[in-house]
Amino acid sequence: KAGVTQTPRYLIKTRGQQVTLSCSPISGHRSVSWYQQTPGQGLQFLFEYFSETQRNKGNFPGRFSGRQFSNSRSEMNVSTLELGDSALYLCASTLGSSSYNEQFFGPGTRLTVL
Amino acid sequence: KNEVEQSPQNLTAQEGEFITINCSYSVGISALHWLQQHPGGGIVSLFMLSSGKKKHGRLIATINIQEKHSSLHITASHPRDSAVYICAVSGGADGLTFGKGTHLIIQP
Repeated sequence: KAGVTQTPRYLIKTRGQQVTLSCSPISGHRSVSWYQQTPGQGLQFLFEYFSETQRNKGNFPGRFSGRQFSNSRSEMNVSTLELGDSALYLCASTLGSSSYNEQFFGPGTRLTVL
Repeated sequence: KNEVEQSPQNLTAQEGEFITINCSYSVGISALHWLQQHPGGGIVSLFMLSSGKKKHGRLIATINIQEKHSSLHITASHPRDSAVYICAVSGGADGLTFGKGTHLIIQP
């Protein structure tokens, strides 16, 4: 069974631009969660989608948004990029609720904002 | 909001030593996760537990719900165990809440 895939793996953008990251979960998994990892703040929860509905949202500004499609693939979008958005963005998929199930992580997308 | 504390932050040990990493949290949870992250970023889930003890190979994870405390043990440590070990808890509307990680180096 294929693992969680994320595209692109690396991305360089400039301040003010917007970016869209993609995550394809393990086949059959219906929940996708997104996380941001920075050296200063560590890993932080962005949001979770389950069956195309956002179930939980972390403490991030509205510039960060996401969605999930009927095939469970998910995208996250960051608008008006800031230097501080440079980070590793990870997604993880679970069979059901992320609160009660093991999470399977993708390799991440490393975003650099110049 | 749950606060997750890990100790130690950094740990260097010799091959073969018994390793213990500790994790404590402040609010009741539905599950606690131990994750491993190698250089390059990839994260692997080692354990998810809500009570008792789990064992996988040389790794053992325990949790004490009353004490709000968990430990990850590595027996007969090996240089390939060198990684960052991260404790995370779930249960609220905040998704996973993570500790800052323990940087483990096992020297041959």
